[in-house]
Amino acid sequence: EIVMTQSPATLSVSPGERVTLSCRASQSVTRSLAWYQQKPGQPPRLLIYAASSRAPGVPARFSGSGSGTEFTLTISSLQSEDYAVYYCQNYYIWPPEFTFGPGSKVDI
Amino acid sequence: QVQLVESGGGLVRPGGSLRLSCAASGFIFSDFYMGWVRQTPDKGLEWISYGNKGGDVVYYTESVKGRFAMSRDNAGNSLYLQMNNLRPDDTAVYYCVRPLTITNLYCGFDSWGQGTRVIVSS
Repeated sequence: EIVMTQSPATLSVSPGERVTLSCRASQSVTRSLAWYQQKPGQPPRLLIYAASSRAPGVPARFSGSGSGTEFTLTISSLQSEDYAVYYCQNYYIWPPEFTFGPGSKVDI
Repeated sequence: QVQLVESGGGLVRPGGSLRLSCAASGFIFSDFYMGWVRQTPDKGLEWISYGNKGGDVVYYTESVKGRFAMSRDNAGNSLYLQMNNLRPDDTAVYYCVRPLTITNLYCGFDSWGQGTRVIVSS
C-alpha cells in the first residue's frame, strides 16, 4: 500500500508570495500524481495531473513538478482566491487504486 | 456543463443500509468510467469505488469490499452506491466523481458532485 505524506500541514502566506507545497510517496509512483485544491464547503478541484500537466482552466501560476517519490506544487504568486487546502493523489489505473495525501492548508 | 448531483445520504444506525444516487448531466455518461470518493475530517479523502463504462467491472477499496456495491444505469445517466452493514467509521461526505481522460488515460478526477452526507450512529 502506497502512503502519501504532505508538508507542511499548514502554511501562512501573504498575497503575492510564492508558495511551495511538498508531497512524498512511500514508494515510486513514477509520474502518476495529481494535485487538488479544496475550499470550505466545496468539493476538491483538479489542478494538476501526471505530476506537471495543468488541468483545463487552471491558471498558469499553478505548476507541478517531480517524479518517483518527491513532488512539488508551486503557486508562483498567491492570490486571495488561492487560500485553500491542497491535496496530492497517487493513481494506479488498472486495477484502480487512488491514494490521497492528508493535505496542506494555505492560510493568511 | 458537467453536473453531478448526489442524493440519498442521511442518518442510519450501525448495521443498516443506504443507497446513494448520483444524477449526471452535461456529458455522455456512458462514455466515462465513474467512481465514489468519501471525505471525513479525520481520514481526509478516501477513494471508495471505481468502475468501467458498462458497470460490469468495479473495484473497491479494501475497507468496503463485501459491504458496498457500485452500479450504474447508463440509460438513466445515474450512478449508485449501495452501502450495507454500515459502520460508524463509514460516516463521511460521499462524492460522485468523474475522471478527466485524455487519449483514454486517467488524469485525475476533474468533476465532483457537491456531496451527500452519511452519518452512521446509534
